[in-house]
Amino acid sequence: DGGITQSPKYLFRKEGQNVTLSCEQNLNHDAMYWYRQDPGQGLRLIYYSQIVNDFQKGDIAEGYSVSREKKESFPLTVTSAQKNPTAFYLCASSIGDSPLHFGNGTRLTVT
Amino acid sequence: DQQVKQNSPSLSVQEGRISILNCDYTNSMFDYFLWYKKYPAEGPTFLISISSIKDKNEDGRFTVFLNKSAKHLSLHIVPSQPGDSAVYFCAAYSGGGADGLTFGKGTHLIIQP
Repeated sequence: DGGITQSPKYLFRKEGQNVTLSCEQNLNHDAMYWYRQDPGQGLRLIYYSQIVNDFQKGDIAEGYSVSREKKESFPLTVTSAQKNPTAFYLCASSIGDSPLHFGNGTRLTVT
Repeated sequence: DQQVKQNSPSLSVQEGRISILNCDYTNSMFDYFLWYKKYPAEGPTFLISISSIKDKNEDGRFTVFLNKSAKHLSLHIVPSQPGDSAVYFCAAYSGGGADGLTFGKGTHLIIQP
């Protein structure tokens, strides 16, 4: 069964620590995306990657970093520079003009 | 500057009746529109889409209408069922969409028994 796996589902970190969120897909999709959702807000694009070893900043990239070393994987690192890291993070992928396919998200809480 | 607007944070509809969710956009370059449905603590799932060359697209109980001159689209759900209770996001993109979608803030649809 193809899909996107985000792990872990819940993540807790202390302020000042970097944390990496995992996203793996077995859909053979070329493009991958990271979105952030805050309460009462829409999804905002953090980073996206259209092919391996290439990625672009989205609307709210500050304080985040990504890598795309493999087609299947697009990890997101939330750095200590991100002012408000507590949020629900969603990874998505797509191929061609197909609609984005989302994972089930990781809820990050930083205290 | 919000390019995709869903002005109703929530909507309550009786089971069996029609649910109408609205969405406005400001970017005239958008040429493809989608609706996603989201349950709590899950990722959004694609529901239905429409290209700017059409004004209506239907899939079972779900119909999306696009009014380009008004920069407005709406999602109709008929008849509404309890499982339709979720947050619905309107989204749009222009060109190939390779840089991702622009989402509205969502409308929480509540189906009353």
